[in-house]
Amino acid sequence: DAKTTQPNSMESNEEEPVHLPCNHSTISGTDYIHWYRQLPSQGPEYVIHGLTSNVNNRMASLAIAEDRKSSTLILHRATLRDAAVYYCILNSGGGADGLTFGKGTHLIIQP
Amino acid sequence: DTGVSQDPRHKITKRGQNVTFRCDPISEHNRLYWYRQTLGQGPEFLTYFQNEAQLEKSRLLSDRFSAERPKGSFSTLEIQRTEQGDSAMYLCASSLWGGRVGNEQFFGPGTRLTVL
Repeated sequence: DAKTTQPNSMESNEEEPVHLPCNHSTISGTDYIHWYRQLPSQGPEYVIHGLTSNVNNRMASLAIAEDRKSSTLILHRATLRDAAVYYCILNSGGGADGLTFGKGTHLIIQP
Repeated sequence: DTGVSQDPRHKITKRGQNVTFRCDPISEHNRLYWYRQTLGQGPEFLTYFQNEAQLEKSRLLSDRFSAERPKGSFSTLEIQRTEQGDSAMYLCASSLWGGRVGNEQFFGPGTRLTVL
């Protein structure tokens, strides 16, 4: 699976939107973009995934660049409970085989 | 609670001992995964099963590691002759694969292994 690049950490204020970037310049045509997050002392949790079009669900939105070389996870209104490590993952198996996690972005939410 | 469960949650052992961890997936899920996570790093994929068949093993899974899923339900991960470098959080996940894309993996709380 192709590699992703994310900032080590980001900080935001509670109740404000958060945009978490991910670069994946070597993405292949069959790679899906998955986002997982890991809250302190818990296992990772699925957030959202997409291929080409922007996606929305109850947790977040995923904006995918037209050339698919980057994407942005958007938390529309951050809460303290959103403080976690967010992982951007490419997977050609649609997320059904082993996932390759990087170090992710540590999101800090200030009250 | 019908999520993924792991047992034990914590295990302390001495170097050279064997340890075994158990994972119970979400009941209807046919795929089960094992990952390892060390402090400050993201999880690393070890292996996964579809039903009782082990479909993929990472090169991280040395000969001292063996995983089984004998009846396609729960799984065990055994580490023989543990080394201090095996100290990590061992995570289990499961998913329902039906040939479609976008399969969400559900993770358990993990088993924290400390090798003294």
